[in-house]
Amino acid sequence: DTAVSQTPKYLVTQMGNDKSIKCEQNLGHDTMYWYKQDSKKFLKIMFSYNNKELIINETVPNRFSPKSPDKAHLNLHINSLELGDSAVYFCASSQAYGTSTDTQYFGPGTRLTVL
Amino acid sequence: QKEVEQDPGPLSVPEGAIVSLNCTYSNSAFQYFMWYRQYSRKGPELLMYTYSSGNKEDGRFTAQVDKSSKYISLFIRDSQPSDSATYLCAMSEGGSYIPTFGRGTSLIVHP
Repeated sequence: DTAVSQTPKYLVTQMGNDKSIKCEQNLGHDTMYWYKQDSKKFLKIMFSYNNKELIINETVPNRFSPKSPDKAHLNLHINSLELGDSAVYFCASSQAYGTSTDTQYFGPGTRLTVL
Repeated sequence: QKEVEQDPGPLSVPEGAIVSLNCTYSNSAFQYFMWYRQYSRKGPELLMYTYSSGNKEDGRFTAQVDKSSKYISLFIRDSQPSDSATYLCAMSEGGSYIPTFGRGTSLIVHP
């Protein structure tokens, strides 16, 4: 039974297109995150939602828009895709943001390739 | 200079070896230190979690933090081929719990 799931697993698209990635967690967690892992393997936080409210918004182009319809889901919509958006995008969730022993559980990742 | 430095490897060792993985950091406000393991084409999973300086042991894994030197280590005893993965260190400040990750060290344990 998958704890954090993402769809699609792979996404290949042309520059300029708009695409969405979906994330769902069945752990009952309050907080969800989007991370980007580039080709050099650096994992960087993009957004975080706590109880459907945006709490972290790192320096990310406004072409990226997260949406949390409920606590169990956090989707990422990307407009006007660029070559530099090619990366692996990871969704994660945790029990409660801001607690010292909060553990993040990661999804399997969505490998986005922009041609 | 990045906040967290980690040698990307790859580090190749024979089965049974003791493995030492390390990270250095520049932000003295970091208080929480983590090691994640990431298998190929999978998401990272938390291995070890340490607060402040000291050692923590869990089975074959030992995490060490030396805050005075801004240096953390993960030791793996009796390494197994199933330990082959990328190991990412991560750390965060007390008041803000979003971790800053190192780029990961690729470990290959060959039979």
